[in-house]
Amino acid sequence: QSVLTQPPSASGTPGQRVTISCSGGSSNIGSHAVNWYQQLPGAAPKLLIYVNHQRPSGVPDRFSASKSGTSASLAISGLQSEDEGDYYCAAWDEALNWVFGGGTKLTVL
Amino acid sequence: QVHLVESGGGVVKPGGSLRLSCAASGFTFSNYYMSWIRQAPGEGLEWVSWISTSSSTILYADSVKGRFTISRDNAKSSLYLQMDSLSAEDTAIYYCARSGLSGPDFDYWGQGTPVTVSS
Repeated sequence: QSVLTQPPSASGTPGQRVTISCSGGSSNIGSHAVNWYQQLPGAAPKLLIYVNHQRPSGVPDRFSASKSGTSASLAISGLQSEDEGDYYCAAWDEALNWVFGGGTKLTVL
Repeated sequence: QVHLVESGGGVVKPGGSLRLSCAASGFTFSNYYMSWIRQAPGEGLEWVSWISTSSSTILYADSVKGRFTISRDNAKSSLYLQMDSLSAEDTAIYYCARSGLSGPDFDYWGQGTPVTVSS
């Protein structure tokens, strides 16, 4: 059981906009920044979004994110087949550890 | 470019030990915090341990506390994870990941090394 809650799956057709939610609590998302990681099939995770909504260089602006209270969300617009993979949210927790969401498997139909 | 390469994974019997290594290149290793994060087969990501730049502060997940020991050698640009009293629940791919002093957490990851605990 992950500390941060994500839907197990999400899907969309090419070109569509998809959102993935991440719910936590006052000790993690409510007090600290949220990062998002993308894990494509067979690959290591990659930083996608940091400090709630910042994109590292090289990440397309099709990827955006936001945080409000104890929840965060990732949005992918102009969905492409190469976006298919797993997406994880993460945050620092006051219990002195990092916590991850259970991951959301994104399928491009 | 930043490069993190894990090694040392393998198959070990329950109760056994294993030492993982992570060789870093392409950046000034001593200026970055480092972590180990694992992923059990078909499961999500689980943070395991974190070490500060000078090794003065070390954190562990409750699931590994007292069994795993993280360390680093800045002169060799290397990160280590000594894993003792292993159980089947420790079976996973183990990734090392970098965090900047004022930058994002886990901004670069290695390709991972698999650990299987089985009799």
